[in-house]
Amino acid sequence: AQKVTQAQTEISVVEKEDVTLDCVYETRDTTYYLFWYKQPPSGELVFLIRRNSFDEQNEISGRYSWNFQKSTSSFNFTITASQVVDSAVYFCAPLPPSGGSYIPTFGRGTSLIVHP
Amino acid sequence: NAGVTQTPKFQVLKTGQSMTLQCAQDMNHEYMSWYRQDPGMGLRLIHYSVGAGITDQGEVPNGYNVSRSTTEDFPLRLLSAAPSQTSVYFCASSYLPWDRPYGYTFGSGTRLTVV
Repeated sequence: AQKVTQAQTEISVVEKEDVTLDCVYETRDTTYYLFWYKQPPSGELVFLIRRNSFDEQNEISGRYSWNFQKSTSSFNFTITASQVVDSAVYFCAPLPPSGGSYIPTFGRGTSLIVHP
Repeated sequence: NAGVTQTPKFQVLKTGQSMTLQCAQDMNHEYMSWYRQDPGMGLRLIHYSVGAGITDQGEVPNGYNVSRSTTEDFPLRLLSAAPSQTSVYFCASSYLPWDRPYGYTFGSGTRLTVV
């Protein structure tokens, strides 16, 4: 069975620190997508990025970067020089191949608190 | 503005009452779904639809019904509300996730309390 784990329940940092959020997707599938969503204190859910299991290159977008380690099926999401506005719950959601299911399963989320 | 419109934003029900949460999107998305969010549990899928006339159960479907008569609308019905259904409900839509994996667009959520 497939399983998505966000082991970090809560992370607390001081502004300007770098922080990495982890997501592990246990599956026998070799090809899949992984989505990241952000839920700030206001409660809305916002799509951040999609990563592919077949692309191991780092991706950088401003202060955000993503890295996939194939050997451990671990997707790392790093925020460089964190800001108070980054405080939110971050969810990862893998998407299995179309032969299995259309349904992304969400991890339980990591709550990031950035202190000024 | 284009997006997912969810109503109401807040609702208090008495045990045993029924109600319908409304969800509408104007992006011509084939895929629509309902999630509930409870503390420490993440987002759990209730029901989903891949097109008009096609619905299926998710992880926690008991006590909820859905229908998809049009591409735009995907209402969620609570048949007989129970305190265990106290939660925040989110509607989400997208193109078929595997065909065009652009991520979900979420509604703003409905905070439901059953007393």
